[in-house]
Amino acid sequence: NAGVTQTPKFRVLKTGQSMTLLCAQDMNHEYMYWYRQDPGMGLRLIHYSVGEGTTAKGEVPDGYNVSRLKKQNFLLGLESAAPSQTSVYFCASRRGGPGELFFGEGSRLTVL
Amino acid sequence: AQSVSQHNHHVILSEAASLELGCNYSYGGTVNLFWYVQYPGQHLQLLLKYFSGDPLVKGIKGFEAEFIKSKFSFNLRKPSVQWSDTAEYFCAVNAPGSGTYKYIFGTGTRLKVLA
Repeated sequence: NAGVTQTPKFRVLKTGQSMTLLCAQDMNHEYMYWYRQDPGMGLRLIHYSVGEGTTAKGEVPDGYNVSRLKKQNFLLGLESAAPSQTSVYFCASRRGGPGELFFGEGSRLTVL
Repeated sequence: AQSVSQHNHHVILSEAASLELGCNYSYGGTVNLFWYVQYPGQHLQLLLKYFSGDPLVKGIKGFEAEFIKSKFSFNLRKPSVQWSDTAEYFCAVNAPGSGTYKYIFGTGTRLKVLA
């Protein structure tokens, strides 16, 4: 049981380049989330999804787009990367009803 | 808007010392509360959770937390820490009654346990 898998795990981009982070979960969870983690700021919610075909903005959505075309996948896109987007990105998922989040192992992104 | 405050940003303890990490949240309605741990280089893992019932919750690895509704607090405790408890600890809140599915995290407390 793989749980939540993120790809890639490491990536270096130049300012202005685009990329997509993929999150895949095999637990049939309804809800999926993208967070970014920065030193001293904890985890901040970028976007989330409450089901296939739905997305919603979190605390820090600017500069990011997301899609949930399939229930098991949640994609995070950066159209034009900026150095301020250098961070560790975590995907998480959970089932419906009250419950905890299950996290992926993170994707470290550096924008030069 | 919901928010979570963790007052201790860095804590250094010797092995066998007792631990208490503070967590306060701002939301007047029903909440679900969580503590997560992140060991160096790893992803977040659930330590314990509170949904309802007994306000004293026991989790893995000897950790426990007490929900005090009147103080909007959910402090994490461990009677005797070990070197292997060195990690970053995050408190999180979810307020299902507010119509949101968001989980809001505190800024984290970095714990270092000296052998």
